[in-house]
This record gives sequence, C-alpha cells and structure tokens, in this order.
Amino acid sequence: DIVLTQSPGTLSVAPGEGATLSCRASQSVDTQLVWYQQRPGQAPKFLIYDASSRAPGIPDRFSGSGSGTDFTLTISRLEPEDFAVYYCQHYDTLYETFGQGTKVEIK
Amino acid sequence: EVQLEQSGAEMKKPGESLRISCKASGYNFGSYWVVWVRQTPGKGLEWMGMIYPDDSETRYTPPFRGQVTVSADKSINTAYLQSTGLKASDSGIYYCARLRILVGYSSGALDVWGQGTTVTVSS
Repeated sequence: DIVLTQSPGTLSVAPGEGATLSCRASQSVDTQLVWYQQRPGQAPKFLIYDASSRAPGIPDRFSGSGSGTDFTLTISRLEPEDFAVYYCQHYDTLYETFGQGTKVEIK
Repeated sequence: EVQLEQSGAEMKKPGESLRISCKASGYNFGSYWVVWVRQTPGKGLEWMGMIYPDDSETRYTPPFRGQVTVSADKSINTAYLQSTGLKASDSGIYYCARLRILVGYSSGALDVWGQGTTVTVSS
C-alpha cells in the first residue's frame, strides 16, 4: 500500500499570511492526489483533485502542485475559516489511503 | 442540493453489531459509488469500502475486507455499513461520501460527505 506522509504536523500562521503544506508518497502516484480541508466538528471538504485542479467553488487562494511523490498545497492570504486540518489522499490503486493531516493553526 | 444524511450516534458493547445508514438526495443515487470512511484518533482517515448502487458491486480496502459489509437499497436511496463483533478499537466517526470518478481512472475524490456518525464501543 502507498503511504502518504504529510508535513509539518502543525503549522502556525498569522491571518493574512501564506501557508505551504507538504504531502510525500512512498511511491509514485503520478498526479492522482486529492486534498481535503476539515474544520473542527465537520466532515472533510473536497478542495483539490488531480494534484492541482480546484474543486468547484474553492477560492483561488488554494492551489496544489506536484507529481510523482512530492506534492504541495499552498494557501495564500489565510482567512479565519482556513484554520483547519488538511489531508491528502491518493486514488486508483484499489487501496486508497490518506495522509495523517497537517493542522494549520492561528499564530 | 446534493446531500448525504447519516443515522445518529451509536453506543455499543464489545461483540455487538452495528448498522449505519446514509440517505442520499439531490442526485441520481444509483450512478455514483458511495464510500465509507472511518476516522479515529489513532489511525486518522481510513477508506473502508464502497458500493455502486446501480448493480450493488462492492469493493473493500484490505484492512476492512471480511470485517465490514456495505450494501444499498436503491428504492430508498440509502447505503448501509454493517459490522459485527465490534471492538473498542472500532470506536470513531464513520462517514459516507460520494465518489467522483476522475477522468481516466477507476477511482477519484470524495466530493460530497455525510455529517458523520459517532460510534462508541465500550463495556
């Protein structure tokens, strides 16, 4: 199975600043990577697919990049609602797995 | 509006059985895979299994194969997750979600999620 390792575990950022989150795969997943946001007490929310395509309705301050084993989610100009936990997920192996998450907290 | 509405929280004793429901609305239920995901503090998010309601085809990830059963009733737009012989380690939040198959692949992203069902297994 493919293991996704996210870093850092927690990122402290001031509102209005940017954040860069990393997801590393144990073997190549090409661009078959998804990002989700989970706010406290809520279900995850679909953000990015195919590593870099935004889901419908997702603001352009969220962007994804990468291919192969190294991926990045970048959030520019953090808004109050962006402080949450972010997960990556790969697909198309019949054993989809998630990363362990990165918490973005208010500095 | 596309929605998935899950059944309420469950308190179970070790060894008991569980059935959680997930009622879909706002889209053609039969034409999208419904996926079950578990979230626990120890293991995070885990993709458990999924069902295609139109033909009831099911797939399970290796850790959950033989441990849980997913099913669906197209007539009432509802998917189910069943588990027997519950253990304390089965405690967590169980989500159903709709699978958006991505072009060129047999799987994809979970684009709509239920609100989650909290399951507590304790003696």
